[in-house]
Amino acid sequence: NAGVTQTPKFRILKIGQSMTLQCTQDMNHNYMYWYRQDPGMGLKLIYYSVGAGITDKGEVPNGYNVSRSTTEDFPLRLELAAPSQTSVYFCASSRNSGRTPDTQYFGPGTRLTVL
Amino acid sequence: AQSVTQPDIHITVSEGASLELRCNYSYGATPYLFWYVQSPGQGLQLLLKYFSGDTLVQGIKGFEAEFKRSQSSFNLRKPSVHWSDAAEYFCAVGFSYDKVIFGPGTSLSVIP
Repeated sequence: NAGVTQTPKFRILKIGQSMTLQCTQDMNHNYMYWYRQDPGMGLKLIYYSVGAGITDKGEVPNGYNVSRSTTEDFPLRLELAAPSQTSVYFCASSRNSGRTPDTQYFGPGTRLTVL
Repeated sequence: AQSVTQPDIHITVSEGASLELRCNYSYGATPYLFWYVQSPGQGLQLLLKYFSGDTLVQGIKGFEAEFKRSQSSFNLRKPSVHWSDAAEYFCAVGFSYDKVIFGPGTSLSVIP
């Protein structure tokens, strides 16, 4: 059972380039999340999804896009990369029942540097 | 406004000493409460959670946490710290099914 996998582990982008961070979970979880982690700031929610075909903005969505065509995959797209997007990105998933938040399972993260 | 604070940015303890990490939140009702641990270069892993019932909850790796409604707190404790406990600890508070806020984290160093 792989849990939540993320690729790539590391990436360096030039300003203005675009890229997609991949996230896959094999736990059949309905909820998936993208966070960014900056030193001393905790985790900030970028986007989340409550199921295939449904996505919503989190706290810091500007400069990012997501899609959720399947239960397993939740890619994060960066368009026109900026130095402010230098961060560590985590994908997570959870099995929320009803309207209660539950344990989130995290991937190992992607360290992105924009120069 | 809903918020989560972890007053201690960094804590250093000696191996074998007890540990308490603080977490406070601002909310008008009882939220869903979590503690996660992040080892260097890794993702976050759940230590324990509180939804309702007994206010003292047990987690993995010998950790426990106590929910105190009157103080809006959910402090994490361990009676005897091991060197392998050195990590970043995050308190997370779920205010609704689609709103979980993570605190800024407390970095724990353990002196052998």
